[in-house]
Formats: sequence, C-alpha cells, structure tokens
Amino acid sequence: QKEVEQNSGPLSVPEGAIASLNCTYSDRGSQSFFWYRQYSGKSPELIMSIYSNGDKEDGRFTAQLNKASQYVSLLIRDSQPSDSATYLCAVKSFMVGGSQGNLIFGKGTKLSVKP
Amino acid sequence: EAGVAQSPRYKIIEKRQSVAFWCNPISGHATLYWYQQILGQGPKLLIQFQNNGVVDDSQLPKDRFSAERLKGVDSTLKIQPAKLEDSAVYLCASSSDRTVDTQYFGPGTRLTVL
Repeated sequence: QKEVEQNSGPLSVPEGAIASLNCTYSDRGSQSFFWYRQYSGKSPELIMSIYSNGDKEDGRFTAQLNKASQYVSLLIRDSQPSDSATYLCAVKSFMVGGSQGNLIFGKGTKLSVKP
Repeated sequence: EAGVAQSPRYKIIEKRQSVAFWCNPISGHATLYWYQQILGQGPKLLIQFQNNGVVDDSQLPKDRFSAERLKGVDSTLKIQPAKLEDSAVYLCASSSDRTVDTQYFGPGTRLTVL
C-alpha cells in the first residue's frame, strides 16, 4: 500500500513566523509532488508543485524535495492568519491494478496562525 | 471561466438507500476525477475518466459504487446501497488532460448516511 504520511497537527505559529510542514512518502518511484491548501468546509486548492530535488519558491511559499530521503516539505514565510488551513501533501504514484499515475494524498496538517 | 460544478451540496440518507451525485467539469477539460474524502483524511481517488472512457477505477468499490460520463462532459457517481461508512465528502475534479498535473476541485457533496 503506497502511503503519504503527514503530522496531523495542529501546528500553531504566531503571525509573521515561518511555518514548516513535512511529508514523507513510501513509493520511491514517485516523480511528482504537490501541496494543496484546504480551508475548513472547502475543497482543496493547489498551491505548489515540485518535481526535482531542491527548493522551489513561489512568493511566501517554498517547497523542498529530497527524493533520496523520500521527503517533501512546505515552508510558509511571514505566516498570516489567512494561511490557517489544512495543508495536504499529494504524491503522484501508480496504483496496483491501475494504469495511470494518480494522486495519493496524506491526511493533511492543520495549521493555525495566531494574530 | 466557470469552475467545477457539483450538486447537490449536501445529502442525508438512511443506510441501504441509493444516492447520486452530479459533476460538471470546467469547459474543455477532458479528464474528470471522483474522490472520496472522509473526515480527517485526505481525498482518495475513486475513478478517473478521460473523455467518456474509464482510465482508472482500481479503487472504486464496484459492488456498490458506479460512475458514468456518457457524453464526455458531465458525470454521475452513484452509491447503491449506501452504508454508514460511505459518509464523506465526494469531490469532483477536472484537468485539461490526464498528462496535466493541475487538478481543479469542485465544492464537493457532503453525504451523511444514518
């Protein structure tokens, strides 16, 4: 069973701090990695994708990937109360019996940014 | 550009009843996905369509769940009969093509089975 693991939290950080969210995955053959943000009662929204080892920055968000360690993380700089949400890590993997690479999601980490 | 539309937004049924959910993807999107998200968990893929053909239904509980996308546009997911453990949010997503990673999610249908 291919798995994506995340700490469910909640992770609480003060406004303006850096929030660090972590994710590990079991399928060593995975090539595509994603971070989705999900506000309470809403649907997931893609915020970052990363495909190569190293860092990828987009505004206040930085995704980090280490394929050797099977580890992907998301850093949120200058955290704002509006960043309070559940962050889902997703890995594109091939299912047993399936023909296509599809997303496997972790359970998500709930982030709370305190004013 | 209109987003992914889903209906109904909420549904409450008793166990052993049937239920159907409808999804209309973003115009022109060839690939459509149905996910099940149980409270406190991430979405789990149930079925993927490319146009009107099934690409992957390996995780669909076929004894009770069925889905169709007859004209390659909108799609229906059905549960018959429902069980208590089917209580979840059913999310529909679409992408322009199955090779494209970016998926756009609809608002979901929250199903409660009593």
